[in-house]
Amino acid sequence: EAQVTQNPRYLITVTGKKLTVTCSQNMNHEYMSWYRQDPGLGLRQIYYSMNVEVTDKGDVPEGYKVSRKEKRNFPLILESPSPNQTSLYFCASSLGLAGGNEQFFGPGTRLTVL
Amino acid sequence: RKEVEQDPGPFNVPEGATVAFNCTYSNSASQSFFWYRQDCRKEPKLLMSVYSSGNEDGRFTAQLNRASQYISLLIRDSKLSDSATYLCVVNLSGGSYIPTFGRGTSLIVHP
Repeated sequence: EAQVTQNPRYLITVTGKKLTVTCSQNMNHEYMSWYRQDPGLGLRQIYYSMNVEVTDKGDVPEGYKVSRKEKRNFPLILESPSPNQTSLYFCASSLGLAGGNEQFFGPGTRLTVL
Repeated sequence: RKEVEQDPGPFNVPEGATVAFNCTYSNSASQSFFWYRQDCRKEPKLLMSVYSSGNEDGRFTAQLNRASQYISLLIRDSKLSDSATYLCVVNLSGGSYIPTFGRGTSLIVHP
Protein backbone atom coordinates (compact mmCIF):
# COMPACT_ATOMS: atom_id res chain seq x y z
CA GLU A 1 0.00 0.00 0.00
CA ALA A 2 1.33 3.41 -1.01
CA GLN A 3 1.70 5.51 2.09
CA VAL A 4 3.56 8.02 4.19
CA THR A 5 4.30 6.90 7.73
CA GLN A 6 5.31 9.00 10.72
CA ASN A 7 6.55 8.02 14.14
CA PRO A 8 5.74 8.58 16.86
CA ARG A 9 2.08 9.50 16.45
CA TYR A 10 1.93 11.12 19.87
CA LEU A 11 4.76 12.51 21.97
CA ILE A 12 4.90 14.43 25.23
CA THR A 13 8.33 15.76 26.13
CA VAL A 14 10.02 18.46 28.17
CA THR A 15 11.76 21.63 27.13
CA GLY A 16 15.27 21.09 25.84
CA LYS A 17 15.15 17.34 25.31
CA LYS A 18 16.18 16.58 21.75
CA LEU A 19 13.74 14.58 19.71
CA THR A 20 13.33 13.20 16.20
CA VAL A 21 10.12 12.53 14.33
CA THR A 22 10.62 10.06 11.52
CA CYS A 23 8.91 10.15 8.16
CA SER A 24 9.06 7.52 5.47
CA GLN A 25 7.34 7.09 2.10
CA ASN A 26 7.23 4.04 -0.15
CA MET A 27 6.20 5.76 -3.39
CA ASN A 28 9.69 6.70 -4.61
CA HIS A 29 8.71 10.36 -4.40
CA GLU A 30 11.39 12.98 -4.90
CA TYR A 31 9.73 15.76 -2.97
CA MET A 32 9.09 15.62 0.78
CA SER A 33 8.13 18.27 3.28
CA TRP A 34 7.18 18.93 6.87
CA TYR A 35 4.28 21.06 8.06
CA ARG A 36 2.92 22.14 11.37
CA GLN A 37 -0.73 22.85 11.94
CA ASP A 38 -1.94 25.15 14.67
CA PRO A 39 -5.48 26.34 15.45
CA GLY A 40 -6.30 29.51 13.56
CA LEU A 41 -3.05 29.41 11.60
CA GLY A 42 -3.57 26.51 9.24
CA LEU A 43 -0.78 24.42 7.75
CA ARG A 44 2.62 26.05 7.54
CA GLN A 45 5.62 24.52 5.83
CA ILE A 46 8.72 24.02 7.98
CA TYR A 47 11.23 22.48 5.57
CA TYR A 48 11.12 20.73 2.26
CA SER A 49 13.42 18.53 0.22
CA MET A 50 13.55 18.22 -3.54
CA ASN A 51 15.74 15.12 -3.50
CA VAL A 52 18.45 13.33 -1.55
CA GLU A 53 20.80 15.78 0.16
CA VAL A 54 18.75 18.75 -1.09
CA THR A 55 16.75 20.57 1.59
CA ASP A 56 15.45 24.10 1.96
CA LYS A 57 13.60 26.24 4.46
CA GLY A 58 9.89 26.73 4.35
CA ASP A 59 7.89 29.43 6.09
CA VAL A 60 8.68 28.53 9.70
CA PRO A 61 12.06 26.73 9.92
CA GLU A 62 13.33 28.23 13.21
CA GLY A 63 14.01 25.59 15.84
CA TYR A 64 13.93 22.67 13.41
CA LYS A 65 16.41 20.66 11.38
CA VAL A 66 15.93 18.04 8.71
CA SER A 67 18.05 15.63 6.73
CA ARG A 68 17.52 13.67 3.56
CA LYS A 69 20.15 10.94 3.35
CA GLU A 70 17.86 8.50 1.60
CA LYS A 71 15.04 9.13 -0.81
CA ARG A 72 12.40 7.45 1.32
CA ASN A 73 13.18 9.09 4.69
CA PHE A 74 12.92 12.69 5.85
CA PRO A 75 13.27 13.00 9.64
CA LEU A 76 12.40 16.18 11.51
CA ILE A 77 14.75 17.04 14.36
CA LEU A 78 14.06 19.36 17.26
CA GLU A 79 17.41 19.93 18.93
CA SER A 80 16.01 21.85 21.90
CA PRO A 81 12.22 21.76 21.88
CA SER A 82 10.29 24.62 23.42
CA PRO A 83 6.60 24.91 24.38
CA ASN A 84 5.85 27.02 21.30
CA GLN A 85 6.66 23.95 19.22
CA THR A 86 3.67 22.15 20.65
CA SER A 87 1.69 21.40 17.52
CA LEU A 88 0.36 18.82 15.09
CA TYR A 89 3.04 17.89 12.57
CA PHE A 90 2.50 16.40 9.14
CA CYS A 91 5.00 14.95 6.73
CA ALA A 92 4.09 14.93 3.05
CA SER A 93 5.54 13.66 -0.20
CA SER A 94 4.84 14.16 -3.87
CA LEU A 95 6.13 12.85 -7.13
CA GLY A 96 8.21 15.83 -8.14
CA LEU A 97 8.99 19.50 -7.78
CA ALA A 98 6.31 20.68 -10.17
CA GLY A 99 3.54 22.43 -8.35
CA GLY A 100 0.86 20.42 -10.05
CA ASN A 101 1.59 17.23 -8.18
CA GLU A 102 -0.65 15.93 -5.41
CA GLN A 103 0.87 15.82 -1.95
CA PHE A 104 0.34 12.69 0.14
CA PHE A 105 0.31 13.31 3.87
CA GLY A 106 1.31 11.11 6.76
CA PRO A 107 -1.15 10.56 9.63
CA GLY A 108 0.35 13.29 11.77
CA THR A 109 2.38 13.53 14.98
CA ARG A 110 0.87 15.35 17.91
CA LEU A 111 3.71 16.87 19.93
CA THR A 112 3.38 18.46 23.34
CA VAL A 113 6.39 20.23 24.85
CA LEU A 114 6.05 20.95 28.56
CA ARG B 1 -3.01 40.59 3.80
CA LYS B 2 -2.71 36.81 4.02
CA GLU B 3 -1.63 35.15 0.78
CA VAL B 4 -4.50 32.68 0.72
CA GLU B 5 -7.76 33.51 2.43
CA GLN B 6 -10.78 31.41 3.19
CA ASP B 7 -13.91 32.03 5.19
CA PRO B 8 -13.43 29.74 8.22
CA GLY B 9 -17.17 29.13 8.58
CA PRO B 10 -18.58 26.92 9.86
CA PHE B 11 -21.05 26.47 7.08
CA ASN B 12 -23.97 24.62 8.61
CA VAL B 13 -26.22 23.11 5.93
CA PRO B 14 -28.92 20.43 5.74
CA GLU B 15 -28.46 17.25 3.78
CA GLY B 16 -29.18 17.76 0.12
CA ALA B 17 -28.18 21.41 0.11
CA THR B 18 -25.79 23.01 -2.33
CA VAL B 19 -22.92 24.88 -0.74
CA ALA B 20 -20.08 26.90 -2.22
CA PHE B 21 -16.75 28.04 -0.81
CA ASN B 22 -14.39 30.62 -2.20
CA CYS B 23 -10.69 31.03 -1.69
CA THR B 24 -8.82 34.18 -2.68
CA TYR B 25 -5.09 34.38 -3.35
CA SER B 26 -2.87 37.43 -3.50
CA ASN B 27 0.00 36.34 -5.74
CA SER B 28 -0.90 36.68 -9.40
CA ALA B 29 2.04 34.40 -10.31
CA SER B 30 0.30 31.46 -8.66
CA GLN B 31 0.14 28.56 -11.08
CA SER B 32 -1.55 25.56 -9.58
CA PHE B 33 -4.50 25.22 -7.28
CA PHE B 34 -6.04 22.46 -5.25
CA TRP B 35 -8.78 21.66 -2.81
CA TYR B 36 -7.91 19.29 0.02
CA ARG B 37 -10.28 17.78 2.52
CA GLN B 38 -9.31 17.31 6.16
CA ASP B 39 -11.37 15.36 8.64
CA CYS B 40 -11.02 16.15 12.33
CA ARG B 41 -7.57 15.19 13.64
CA LYS B 42 -6.69 13.45 10.37
CA GLU B 43 -4.30 14.25 7.56
CA PRO B 44 -5.36 16.37 4.58
CA LYS B 45 -6.25 14.45 1.43
CA LEU B 46 -6.54 15.74 -2.09
CA LEU B 47 -10.13 16.36 -3.11
CA MET B 48 -9.48 17.79 -6.53
CA SER B 49 -7.13 19.88 -8.58
CA VAL B 50 -8.45 23.12 -10.03
CA TYR B 51 -7.86 23.65 -13.72
CA SER B 52 -8.21 26.84 -15.71
CA SER B 53 -11.16 25.38 -17.55
CA GLY B 54 -12.81 24.24 -14.33
CA ASN B 55 -13.43 20.64 -13.46
CA GLU B 56 -16.14 18.46 -12.06
CA ASP B 57 -16.03 15.22 -10.13
CA GLY B 58 -19.44 13.88 -9.27
CA ARG B 59 -21.11 16.30 -6.88
CA PHE B 60 -18.03 18.50 -6.66
CA THR B 61 -17.15 21.32 -9.05
CA ALA B 62 -14.03 23.46 -8.83
CA GLN B 63 -13.43 26.67 -10.74
CA LEU B 64 -10.63 29.16 -11.14
CA ASN B 65 -11.04 32.86 -11.79
CA ARG B 66 -7.61 34.28 -12.54
CA ALA B 67 -8.83 37.80 -13.20
CA SER B 68 -10.30 38.08 -9.73
CA GLN B 69 -7.75 35.72 -8.18
CA TYR B 70 -10.01 33.23 -6.53
CA ILE B 71 -10.94 29.58 -6.74
CA SER B 72 -14.23 28.06 -5.76
CA LEU B 73 -15.61 24.71 -4.69
CA LEU B 74 -19.25 23.82 -5.17
CA ILE B 75 -20.77 20.81 -3.47
CA ARG B 76 -24.18 19.69 -4.66
CA ASP B 77 -26.58 17.39 -2.84
CA SER B 78 -24.55 17.53 0.40
CA LYS B 79 -24.14 14.33 2.38
CA LEU B 80 -23.49 13.91 6.07
CA SER B 81 -20.11 12.45 5.10
CA ASP B 82 -19.13 15.74 3.45
CA SER B 83 -18.72 17.27 6.91
CA ALA B 84 -15.04 18.23 7.10
CA THR B 85 -12.66 21.14 6.70
CA TYR B 86 -11.84 22.10 3.13
CA LEU B 87 -8.38 23.52 2.52
CA CYS B 88 -7.44 25.66 -0.44
CA VAL B 89 -3.84 25.26 -1.64
CA VAL B 90 -2.02 27.58 -4.00
CA ASN B 91 1.41 26.91 -5.52
CA LEU B 92 3.81 29.19 -7.32
CA SER B 93 5.60 27.78 -10.33
CA GLY B 94 9.34 27.23 -10.44
CA GLY B 95 11.87 28.43 -7.89
CA SER B 96 11.20 27.62 -4.27
CA TYR B 97 8.33 25.26 -3.70
CA ILE B 98 6.31 26.42 -0.75
CA PRO B 99 2.65 25.52 -1.23
CA THR B 100 0.48 28.00 0.60
CA PHE B 101 -2.49 26.63 2.46
CA GLY B 102 -5.58 28.53 3.40
CA ARG B 103 -6.73 28.13 6.99
CA GLY B 104 -9.65 26.03 5.85
CA THR B 105 -13.42 26.28 5.70
CA SER B 106 -15.43 24.10 8.05
CA LEU B 107 -18.54 22.41 6.66
CA ILE B 108 -21.14 20.74 8.84
CA VAL B 109 -23.91 18.85 7.09
CA HIS B 110 -26.82 17.97 9.38
CA PRO B 111 -29.79 15.63 8.89
